[in-house]
Amino acid sequence: AQTVTQSQPEMSVQEAETVTLSCTYDTSESDYYLFWYKQPPSRQMILVIRQEAYKQQNATENRFSVNFQKAAKSFSLKISDSQLGDAAMYFCAYRLNNYGQNFVFGPGTRLSVLP
Amino acid sequence: DTGVSQDPRHKITKRGQNVTFRCDPISEHNRLYWYRQTLGQGPEFLTYFQNEAQLEKSRLLSDRFSAERPKGSFSTLEIQRTEQGDSAMYLCASSLASGSSRETQYFGPGTRLLVL
Repeated sequence: AQTVTQSQPEMSVQEAETVTLSCTYDTSESDYYLFWYKQPPSRQMILVIRQEAYKQQNATENRFSVNFQKAAKSFSLKISDSQLGDAAMYFCAYRLNNYGQNFVFGPGTRLSVLP
Repeated sequence: DTGVSQDPRHKITKRGQNVTFRCDPISEHNRLYWYRQTLGQGPEFLTYFQNEAQLEKSRLLSDRFSAERPKGSFSTLEIQRTEQGDSAMYLCASSLASGSSRETQYFGPGTRLLVL
C-alpha cells in the first residue's frame, strides 16, 4: 500500500522569507503523480502544485516550487517570498496513474507566517 | 458560485441515528469523490463515481455507509446507525476526467459531523 509521510506537523516562517515543507512517500510503482494541496483555516482545499513522476524537471508555480527526488521518494515544497495568506495546512498527496483516481494524502503540515 | 457545494455544513446527531449528506459538483464534472478527514489528519479516500457509476470503494466504507449519484450530477452519502467514530469532516471533490495529472480535483467546503 502506498503511504505519504510529512514529518513536520508545524512550521513557521517570517513574512517574505522562504520555507520548505517535506514530504516522503512509499510506493513500488513507477508511474504516478504527486500534488501539494493547501487548506486555509475553515476554507476549501485548493491545489498548489503538481508533478508527474516521469518528468525530471521540477514543477514551479509562481512562488511555489518542488524538489522532486524520485529515487529518494521525496517531494518537498518550497514557498518563496512567504505571504500572510500562505498560512494554512499543506497536504502532500500521491495518485497512481491508473484507472483508480483516489488520492493518498499525508497528515499535513501547519504553516504559520509571522509578520 | 460555480464551485463544489456541500449541504449541510455542520451536522450534530445522536449515536444510532442515520444521516445523509449532499454534494453538488461543478456542473460539467463527470467524476465525484468522497473523502473523510479527521482532526489532524489528511483526507482519506472513501469512494468515487464516474457519471452515475460507483467505480471504487475504500475498505473504510463499511456496510453502514452508502453513496449514490443517481443521475450523474449530485451525490449523497448516507451513514446508518452512526457511531462516535464517524465524527469527522466529510469532503466532496469533483473533476473532469482527462486521464492525466492535469485532471484537478476541486474540493467542497465539507460537512462536519459530530456524533454524540
